[in-house]
Amino acid sequence: DAGVIQSPRHEVTEMGQEVTLRCKPISGHNSLFWYRQTMMRGLELLIYFNNNVPIDDSGMPEDRFSAKMPNASFSTLKIQPSEPRDSAVYFCASSFWGNPDNEQFFGPGTRLTVL
Amino acid sequence: AQSVTQLDSQVPVFEEAPVELRCNYSSSVSVYLFWYVQYPNQGLQLLLKYLSGSTLVKGINGFEAEFNKSQTSFHLRKPSVHISDTAEYFCAVSPRSNDYKLSFGAGTTVTVRA
Repeated sequence: DAGVIQSPRHEVTEMGQEVTLRCKPISGHNSLFWYRQTMMRGLELLIYFNNNVPIDDSGMPEDRFSAKMPNASFSTLKIQPSEPRDSAVYFCASSFWGNPDNEQFFGPGTRLTVL
Repeated sequence: AQSVTQLDSQVPVFEEAPVELRCNYSSSVSVYLFWYVQYPNQGLQLLLKYLSGSTLVKGINGFEAEFNKSQTSFHLRKPSVHISDTAEYFCAVSPRSNDYKLSFGAGTTVTVRA
């Protein structure tokens, strides 16, 4: 299995631009998680989906952030408009709902820089 | 709600020396416990996990951790480290329920020196 795939790996954009991050979970997994990692705040869970349905989006920082999962093999995290404070590494992770050990498999991350 | 405290933010250690990374948690419900490792410029990788049974858990790369329920701790140890163990280590918990949210500690950076 290729593992969790994220694209792009690096993104540099200017303040005010729209940014879209993409994630392909491991085949057969039905839970998907978006995390943000910064030096100041560490690893934060932004949102997670079960069977393509958003379950908990309480970690989404504000309305500029939105996430979708149109099917079991694809999810997007969009920031519009982007701001310099959104600069971070964004991770996507997937797991199998119903697995009692809840192991999550992480992608390599997208490093976002907003100038 | 759950919270995780990693007591050391940075741990420098010499090659072939032992290392211990401390993790304490708080939770109103029973939890599963995890240690993840993040190598530079990579995603997180599971080192080991405690689900139930023996409180001493062995993971990959020679790491082990011991669950102590009375002290609500889950400390990670390795008897002899290598340069390649230089990484950031995260302790995490999730509730034993259908809520699959992981709560992570702030991380401990381990730097192994020759």
